[in-house]
Amino acid sequence: GNSVTQMEGPVTLSEEAFLTINCTYTATGYPSLFWYVQYPGEGLQLLLKATKADDKGSNKGFEATYRKETTSFHLEKGSVQVSDSAVYFCALRQNNAGNMLTFGGGTRLMVKP
Amino acid sequence: EADIYQTPRYLVIGTGKKITLECSQTMGHDKMYWYQQDPGMELHLIHYSYGVNSTEKGDLSSESTVSRIRTEHFPLTLESARPSHTSQYLCATLRGDQETQYFGPGTRLLVL
Repeated sequence: GNSVTQMEGPVTLSEEAFLTINCTYTATGYPSLFWYVQYPGEGLQLLLKATKADDKGSNKGFEATYRKETTSFHLEKGSVQVSDSAVYFCALRQNNAGNMLTFGGGTRLMVKP
Repeated sequence: EADIYQTPRYLVIGTGKKITLECSQTMGHDKMYWYQQDPGMELHLIHYSYGVNSTEKGDLSSESTVSRIRTEHFPLTLESARPSHTSQYLCATLRGDQETQYFGPGTRLLVL
């Protein structure tokens, strides 16, 4: 079956530090890959996505590249801000009728001023 | 972007009560989903629907039930709440030809 593994948190960084949150997946075929962000007290918001190998998703300074050879979709940001503090979820979607997402366990990011 | 509403946002109830968590959307998306998010943050799919009169159980077994009588509404019901049901419940939608699921703000449920 499908599975997503992401690094455990919390990840604590100082403002302007470089961020990497690792995500690897197991799936058959060619899934689409997503990063969602959950701010305190809110639901999930799509941060970025990639639908095929070597695609790079980017948004709000965050980037992730779909690497099929390493089955990875690591999230990066060059300079984090306090407002980036949130929980980040890596997810995959198998291209079938259900369009269901399989989520990783979430990584909490805390950015200190 | 989808407009998805969940009510109530927060609910504290006693054991044995029947509750219904509401999820409504205004975008006409055909697919809808319920996720349970435990305190450790992990998300589990508990129910989904492909459209009106379609409901399916998800990966995680749940004592809750759902209905989809109208496209806009996908309510989740617990006939007899227990402390083990304490969790956050997230509703999501997807338009049939799109890839991205849109999430509601969630309902935080505490069963005493």
